[in-house]
Amino acid sequence: DTEVTQTPKHLVMGMTNKKSLKCEQHMGHRAMYWYKQKAKKPPELMFVYSYEKLSINESVPSRFSPECPNSSLLNLHLHALQPEDSALYLCASSPDGYTEAFFGQGTRLTVV
Amino acid sequence: KQEVTQIPAALSVPEGENLVLNCSFTDSAIYNLQWFRQDPGKGLTSLLLIQSSQREQTSGRLNASLDKSSGRSTLYIAASQPGDSATYLCAVSPQYNFNKFYFGSGTKLNVKP
Repeated sequence: DTEVTQTPKHLVMGMTNKKSLKCEQHMGHRAMYWYKQKAKKPPELMFVYSYEKLSINESVPSRFSPECPNSSLLNLHLHALQPEDSALYLCASSPDGYTEAFFGQGTRLTVV
Repeated sequence: KQEVTQIPAALSVPEGENLVLNCSFTDSAIYNLQWFRQDPGKGLTSLLLIQSSQREQTSGRLNASLDKSSGRSTLYIAASQPGDSATYLCAVSPQYNFNKFYFGSGTKLNVKP
């Protein structure tokens, strides 16, 4: 299994809603990432988990809350988002943070 | 902060042509460089990873080179096909924080049948 699986593929949420994005990998990778990508722009790093501990937070607003319950699973909890948070949210994993990164297909988030 | 630039921003070529995509970065203290492909609205597919100690990597019709001292990488695509049409992104991870990737803005490639 060489896949990073993200669910849901699409999500529409209101500004007062609470929702979560899920990312799963079964490759035994110990580094997992969340990226945000706006249309026609490159991905921007949000968070990095290394060995299930948060190692990088790129000054992301607190309305985005990451969680790594175990080595295979990464969640991104969303609360009180703004329309400008609408984007493609990408999850990635890497064996150890040193080597090749593998990306999921992303969750297309629309905030209304 | 590392700045990554990709030129050209868009490229249109006839099928069968060989082509080169360029990536340049401002800080040569990199850990590795990775080339990705992205289809519209989709995630990123890893194409090639070059460690800082390597000069090039090959996979099928793709060849990526790295000149760390000049801050440049190229992705060579041989005998292009319409299925190669996508946006190609390069990303570098710095030596001081290899967990971070700095992405270029990408080159949008269109291969015409």
